[in-house]
Amino acid sequence: DTEVTQTPKHLVMGMTNKKSLKCEQHMGHRAMYWYKQKAKKPPELMFVYSYEKLSINESVPSRFSPECPNSSLLNLHLHALQPEDSALYLCASSPTGTSGIGANVLTFGAGSRLTVL
Amino acid sequence: GENVEQHPSTLSVQEGDSAVIKCTYSDSASNYFPWYKQELGKRPQLIIDIRSNVGEKKDQRIAVTLNKTAKHFSLHITETQPEDSAVYFCAARGGGFKTIFGAGTRLFVKA
Repeated sequence: DTEVTQTPKHLVMGMTNKKSLKCEQHMGHRAMYWYKQKAKKPPELMFVYSYEKLSINESVPSRFSPECPNSSLLNLHLHALQPEDSALYLCASSPTGTSGIGANVLTFGAGSRLTVL
Repeated sequence: GENVEQHPSTLSVQEGDSAVIKCTYSDSASNYFPWYKQELGKRPQLIIDIRSNVGEKKDQRIAVTLNKTAKHFSLHITETQPEDSAVYFCAARGGGFKTIFGAGTRLFVKA
């Protein structure tokens, strides 16, 4: 399995809802990432987990809450979002992300397209 | 932190011509430079990458060059085909986990 799988593909939620995005990989990668991508813009890093520990939080608002239950799964919990949070949320993984050939090569999932009403 | 600038933002070429996309980075500690292709509605996919100990790398019609002194790296696509039409992102990464992307180049290949 050489893929990163994200669910759901599409999500529409109101500003008072609580929802979660899910990401799964079975490549044995130990670093997992959440990126946010607005239309016609590059992916922007939100969070990085390394060996199931949060390594980077790019000053993301607390209405986004990441969780890494195990080395294969990554969740993004959403609560009280704003319309400007509407975007494509991309999950990615890399072998380790620290050093070594191929360690930091990102494999992206297909993304979850979020619309906040 | 790292900043990556990418030019041009849009590039239109005739089928069979070459396309060149250029990027500059700011952090001299960056040592890994991937290029991603993103088709409309699809995920970014790695097409080629280069590490700081190498000046040039080629894979069929795609090549990347790196000038560490000038902090420049470029993507070269030869014999372009309509299926090369997409958005291309350069990126730079240092010793940590942060892969920082350029703003993207929308490439149109006209048949």
